[in-house]
Amino acid sequence: GAVVSQHPSRVICKSGTSVKIECRSLDFQATTMFWYRQFPKKSLMLMATSNEGSKATYEQGVEKDKFLINHASLTLSTLTVTSAHPEDSSFYICSAKPAAYNSPLHFGNGTRLTVT
Amino acid sequence: AQSVTQPDIHITVSEGASLELRCNYSYGATPYLFWYVQSPGQGLQLLLKYFSGDTLVQGIKGFEAEFKRSQSSFNLRKPSVHWSDAAEYFCALSNDYKLSFGAGTTVTVRA
Repeated sequence: GAVVSQHPSRVICKSGTSVKIECRSLDFQATTMFWYRQFPKKSLMLMATSNEGSKATYEQGVEKDKFLINHASLTLSTLTVTSAHPEDSSFYICSAKPAAYNSPLHFGNGTRLTVT
Repeated sequence: AQSVTQPDIHITVSEGASLELRCNYSYGATPYLFWYVQSPGQGLQLLLKYFSGDTLVQGIKGFEAEFKRSQSSFNLRKPSVHWSDAAEYFCALSNDYKLSFGAGTTVTVRA
């Protein structure tokens, strides 16, 4: 079945640094990818919608200059957390929508970010 | 505005017993509804989905869900749980592929 690879699975970074998370669709083309954030013991919150070749659409309250999203190809979207702060520590999950009509979303396995 | 409510934060069930997880939604049109399962530190796995048609939907791992428009509900059921069913379960509603998730229900299975 369709596979979405998210890398890294875990990352620890220091405050003030930036960290990039990759989301790849391995065996299908994804015109749209979504980025979610999940706080401990909480549900998933949609951060932004990433469309190949265009600017990402951010949900209300999400800082676009802090969470940079790039969708440079039909198989790769990246989320860069800039000037990381301990408050950014969270579980980040991407999902990918195949180009085929009415295909279901496929989720990556998530990235655990810890900012020290 | 769309929303999804999962009234039960935590459910404990004995292995072999039946399980039902509640999900209520609020949406102005015909909803696309999903149930996902998440193991600790992992991503989401789709259990089943409802788009239209038969209101009783069969999914993977022996799960099923019933869409009831009159009650705005999409409850998940399993006749006999296994220890491996212990996980977090999320109900979700789709609006143009953007998913709104419920708060989740943690399922604990006791021997």
